[in-house]
Amino acid sequence: SYVLTQPPSVSVAPGKTARITCGGNNIGSKSVHWYQQKPGQAPVLVIYYDSDRPSGIPERFSGSKSGNTATLTISRVEAGDEADYYCQVWDSSSDHVVFGGGTKLTVL
Amino acid sequence: QVQLVQSGAEVKKPGSSVKVSCKASGATFNSYTINWVRQAPGQGLEWMGRIIPISGTADYAQKFQGRVTFIADESTSTAYMELSSLRSEDTAVYYCARGGAHDYWGQGTLVTVSS
Repeated sequence: SYVLTQPPSVSVAPGKTARITCGGNNIGSKSVHWYQQKPGQAPVLVIYYDSDRPSGIPERFSGSKSGNTATLTISRVEAGDEADYYCQVWDSSSDHVVFGGGTKLTVL
Repeated sequence: QVQLVQSGAEVKKPGSSVKVSCKASGATFNSYTINWVRQAPGQGLEWMGRIIPISGTADYAQKFQGRVTFIADESTSTAYMELSSLRSEDTAVYYCARGGAHDYWGQGTLVTVSS
């Protein structure tokens, strides 16, 4: 089955840039979605179709892909960005949605 | 404003079943798939499957096949997830989410399985 690999944790100082990666075989051929989840809350979509941003999501959030890796970039990180982040793709070989294991972003 | 509102928390005995509802408002119900995702305590997101309301066709993740059933009631814009033969490992928050991008999520329903 298809696997998405994320680093368990990323730490960044306020005002700096955080990059959260999501690795998967041939991910370049798949659409990647990203979610932010704060403790006790439902996930929130922050990037869809690799790099599109839903209304209401700050421009500081952006998405990209290169090779077998997708990246969520958060610029000018704020304390309120501290959360778990998940990537997601549709695996057409199994007709299943696959989530990455999640990355805990800590703002120092 | 699209909203998905789920039913309340449940406590169930091992071996029993649970049925969680997800009522949609603010958009045409049958225009999107409804996904079910669960999250065990301290764990990540796990996709259980999806239903296409307009056809009633459902896809189930292999792990749950034979134990889970999705239903979509277009008359009330409500989707249901029923999970049977519950065990302690099924203790989790269960979410519904709209469409391939999962752009809107329900608030979650905590299901606790305990004897």
